[in-house]
Amino acid sequence: AQSVTQLGSHVSVSEGALVLLRCNYSSSVPPYLFWYVQYPNQGLQLLLKYTTGATLVKGINGFEAEFKKSETSFHLTKPSAHMSDAAEYFCAVSLDSSYKLIFGSGTRLLVRP
Amino acid sequence: GAVVSQHPSRVICKSGTSVKIECRSLDFQATTMFWYRQFPKKSLMLMATSNEGSKATYEQGVEKDKFLINHASLTLSTLTVTSAHPEDSSFYICSASRGWIAGEEGTDTQYFGPGTRLTVL
Repeated sequence: AQSVTQLGSHVSVSEGALVLLRCNYSSSVPPYLFWYVQYPNQGLQLLLKYTTGATLVKGINGFEAEFKKSETSFHLTKPSAHMSDAAEYFCAVSLDSSYKLIFGSGTRLLVRP
Repeated sequence: GAVVSQHPSRVICKSGTSVKIECRSLDFQATTMFWYRQFPKKSLMLMATSNEGSKATYEQGVEKDKFLINHASLTLSTLTVTSAHPEDSSFYICSASRGWIAGEEGTDTQYFGPGTRLTVL
C-alpha cells in the first residue's frame, strides 16, 4: 500500500528565507510523486511532479523537489520565500500519473514579513 | 489549457434534500475524473474514480448509493449527494485527466477544479 507522510503541519519562515517542506513516502513499486498547492477556498494547483528520469524536478513559482529513493523522500524547497507563497502544500504519491493520488496530510506554510 | 470547473462553488441545502455538483473539463477531454472530499484543515480523501461511459469505482467506506457519480461524457462528471445530512457538509473537489498520450508530455496529469463547499443545515 502507498502512503505519504508530511512532517510538520505548520512551517513558518521569514520572507526571503529558505523554504523546506518535508515529504516521505511508502510505495511497493516505483512511485510517481507530486506536490500541489492550495490557496484558501480553492482547488489544488500542481507545483511539480516526478515520474522518471532526473531526480531533481523544477516546478512553477521557483519551487523544486528532489526524489531520493534511498531516503524515500521528496522534499519541496524554494531558495527565497515570498509572501504570496503562504498556502497549504500537499505531497501526493501515485502508481502512475493518471492513477488515483494518495495525499499527505498537508503543510501550511506561513511567511512572516 | 487544462482548466477544470465546478458548479456550484457553494451550496447550502436542507437536511434530506439532494445536491448535484458538476465537474467539467473546459478545454480537454477527460477520460478519467476523480472526486475528493476535504474536511476542514484536513487532507483530501479520494471518494471515487469515474471513467467515461462506465460505472464509478468507489473507495472503501464510501457509500455509492449516497454519493452518486455519473460520467456521461468526456467533459462532464456529476456527483449527487442524496438525502444530505449535516455530516455530509464538506469541501468537494474533482480532478480530471486525459490519460497518457504517447508523445505528449503531461497529458496524464490530474487537473483539479476549484472545489464546491456544501453546507447541509
